[in-house]
Amino acid sequence: AQSVAQPEDQVNVAEGNPLTVKCTYSVSGNPYLFWYVQYPNRGLQFLLKYITGDNLVKGSYGFEAEFNKSQTSFHLKKPSALVSDSALYFCAVRDIAGTYKYIFGTGTRLKVLA
Amino acid sequence: GAVVSQHPSWVICKSGTSVKIECRSLDFQATTMFWYRQFPKQSLMLMATSNEGSKATYEQGVEKDKFLINHASLTLSTLTVTSAHPEDSSFYICSASVTEAFFGQGTRLTVV
Repeated sequence: AQSVAQPEDQVNVAEGNPLTVKCTYSVSGNPYLFWYVQYPNRGLQFLLKYITGDNLVKGSYGFEAEFNKSQTSFHLKKPSALVSDSALYFCAVRDIAGTYKYIFGTGTRLKVLA
Repeated sequence: GAVVSQHPSWVICKSGTSVKIECRSLDFQATTMFWYRQFPKQSLMLMATSNEGSKATYEQGVEKDKFLINHASLTLSTLTVTSAHPEDSSFYICSASVTEAFFGQGTRLTVV
């Protein structure tokens, strides 16, 4: 079964510093990986995805993620954090067994400190 | 990106009543939509897959008679929480996919 794990419940980083939010995956076959962000009382907003191609994926709002097959990881990164980046971040993998069903990680709360 | 609109954004209802939540794909057709439930500070739990023109597929442990799903057109799926109770209070989110999933803004349901 497909799954993703986010080992950190919360990540704190100072504004201007680089940030990393971790995600590891377990899939059979080629992974379809995604990052979403959620602000309070809102739905999820798509940030970026990895299907095939370059291991470094660039997404919205200056975020990027690096697909690492040997480490089965797909960590989300940003070179310089903003206070407005503070939100809940979800890693997800798509069930490739013929549907667009998504399996989400438990989420990581990012807090960027001014 | 594609737009998924969910309505209402929040609703308060009395225990025992039913509540309908709508999910619309505004600029694309969606043969499949998904309904999730999110508890405070927790991840999204997939409740069911809504299939246009056919019965929904429910995840294990989700009561199909309590959470009625109708997907009558390619742009609209509805979730009806029947005979709501306080434990049904939660944040409900729908999604539809093109190349990736797009989510509605969610509905905060409070049952009093």
